[in-house]
Amino acid sequence: QSALTQPASVSGSPGQSITISCTGTRNDIGAYNYVSWYQQHPGKVPKLMIYEVNNRPSGVSNRFSGSKSGNTASLTISGLQAEDEADYFCSSCTTNYFVFGTGTKVTVL
Amino acid sequence: QVHLVESGGGLVKPGESLRLSCEASGFTFSDYFMNWIRQAPGKGLEWVSYISSSGRAIYYADSLKGRFTISRDNAKNSLFLQMNSLRADDTAFYYCVRDGGGWSLDSWGQGTLVTVSS
Repeated sequence: QSALTQPASVSGSPGQSITISCTGTRNDIGAYNYVSWYQQHPGKVPKLMIYEVNNRPSGVSNRFSGSKSGNTASLTISGLQAEDEADYFCSSCTTNYFVFGTGTKVTVL
Repeated sequence: QVHLVESGGGLVKPGESLRLSCEASGFTFSDYFMNWIRQAPGKGLEWVSYISSSGRAIYYADSLKGRFTISRDNAKNSLFLQMNSLRADDTAFYYCVRDGGGWSLDSWGQGTLVTVSS
């Protein structure tokens, strides 16, 4: 079970939009619409931000949106805010059950 | 409010065993699939194991090679992870996590730290 590939870091200025990619294979992201995204602040527990590619749980800001094309999923954060600075992980179910992405550190400049 | 509390972590030597527990409250435990997820300090998330709501379907990460066993007791709202033949690379925070449906991990415990060191 190889981890999904994410960029190590992405940065942006307040108010800008950024996009984090999550690349998998035809056996995971390409096969299922069960991509989720998690936000983790330092020393905190991960928080579900997006599920089933583009759905937001109750209470998550609409500045967060998800999409998928082929074997790659993406998380877009619009109107970047200081509180968005955190680690972000994607995940997908796979033919071997479940896998996370390598993680992306988002820095707000 | 969903509440998941892990316990059982600690310092063990390589080759030893440990049993983690997770006590659930605030929701109907027997209705939900559950997972164990781990995170080595400063590293990424790694899925460990899944168990269906009834306990009849169970899956493990290939890397565990049969050393870990997941189980649950719906009468006691509890999830367990028996870990045998522990190795240094098993050192991590272990999280008890609820699957909210659609493979979305919507509720996480605070985690319990397992340290494997001689």
